[in-house]
Amino acid sequence: QVQLQESGPGLVKPSETLSLTCTVSGYSISSGYYWGWIRQTPGRGLEWIGSIYHTGNTYYNSSLKSRVSISVDTSNNQFSLKLSSVTATDTAVYYCARHPGLGGSYSSFDYWGQGTLVTVSS
Amino acid sequence: QSALTQPASVSGSPGQSITVSCTGTSSDVGSYNLVSWYQQRPGKAPKLMIYDVSKRPSGVSNRFSGSKSGNTASLTISGLQTEDEADYYCCSYAGSSTFWVFGGGTKLTVL
Repeated sequence: QVQLQESGPGLVKPSETLSLTCTVSGYSISSGYYWGWIRQTPGRGLEWIGSIYHTGNTYYNSSLKSRVSISVDTSNNQFSLKLSSVTATDTAVYYCARHPGLGGSYSSFDYWGQGTLVTVSS
Repeated sequence: QSALTQPASVSGSPGQSITVSCTGTSSDVGSYNLVSWYQQRPGKAPKLMIYDVSKRPSGVSNRFSGSKSGNTASLTISGLQTEDEADYYCCSYAGSSTFWVFGGGTKLTVL
């Protein structure tokens, strides 16, 4: 059974960098597929942030691209998100998720983490 | 404001059928047969219910079905059950620049 679990600080100060890690169990990241980050707010709903392929190729939401970095650590079966220069509008529940495809069949998010609330506040 | 348009709420009685619409554009829903639907219960992560417009993942009830016509996708739930009460979100692949867009969500109430 594939499981994903987000971890990281629940409170980040404005202008600082938000850092989250997703630990995957039940599936080896190095075996394939894409691994993504999605956030959810009451006002803006669900928003895809970006994804990484197991080889390290990255894909980012154009509206966040200048502030986002996603990396993968296959030895620990984890991938991570960094979002810089955060403001209150980055307050959201952040999810990590797997998607088998990117532009072809199975371009959908089939396994999700439970989500973690990150609040941006001084 | 979400890129895909869904009704804010729908309701139905147990045993009835309901349909949730998801309207996009020729750049997303209309261009790709890559629409997915997610069920989200309060405090939980979204759960994939439909992918590639009309395919069901293993374990999802066949009461859930999806379709698409032009720029509008639809999720139909037949034989409504109280456990179906949740928020439902559509999502579409939108090309190699935008990648994914989501709908704003529809709250299903089973009366």
